[in-house]
Amino acid sequence: DAGVIQSPRHEVTEMGQEVTLRCKPISGHNSLFWYRQTMMRGLELLIYFNNNVPIDDSGMPEDRFSAKMPNASFSTLKIQPSEPRDSAVYFCASSRVGYTEAFFGQGTRLTVV
Amino acid sequence: AQKITQTQPGMFVQEKEAVTLDCTYDTSDPSYGLFWYKQPSSGEMIFLIYQGSYDQQNATEGRYSLNFQKARKSANLVISASQLGDSAMYFCAMREVGYSTLTFGKGTMLLVSP
Repeated sequence: DAGVIQSPRHEVTEMGQEVTLRCKPISGHNSLFWYRQTMMRGLELLIYFNNNVPIDDSGMPEDRFSAKMPNASFSTLKIQPSEPRDSAVYFCASSRVGYTEAFFGQGTRLTVV
Repeated sequence: AQKITQTQPGMFVQEKEAVTLDCTYDTSDPSYGLFWYKQPSSGEMIFLIYQGSYDQQNATEGRYSLNFQKARKSANLVISASQLGDSAMYFCAMREVGYSTLTFGKGTMLLVSP
């Protein structure tokens, strides 16, 4: 299995631009998570999907952030417009439903200048 | 209230020694899972070990073991025979059946010296 695949690995963009982060979960996994990691705030859950349905998006910072999961093998996290404070590493993770372990992608390091 | 508490911001250990990283958790759900992840300086999050709330025995994976004390709500990670490659940030995490997202502690930085 290829594991969770995220793209791009690195993204540098100018303030105000739209940014789209992509994630392909492990085949057969029903749960998908988007996390953001910064030095100041640590690992923050942004949104959580079960069977392609958003279950908890209370961690999404504001309306500039949106996430979709159109099918079981693909999810996107979009920031529009981006701001310098959005600079962080964004992780996608997937698991089977329940309380089993989640596996993480390599992360996307986003820099907004 | 924090659901996962890691009280050690940093730990130092000499190569080949054992080290224990502390983790306490808070839940009223009878069914939950406890996890440890390793994040080396390269940044990836690596799953290490899992303990289910109903498991009778402590989980082990190679040099990693989880010291699960349910009554005390603690799930400490024990690394035996530390290696230089064990230097990393270690995160404790929990999933509850009633709210099955993965909640992380703030992490412990482990440095292994020669």
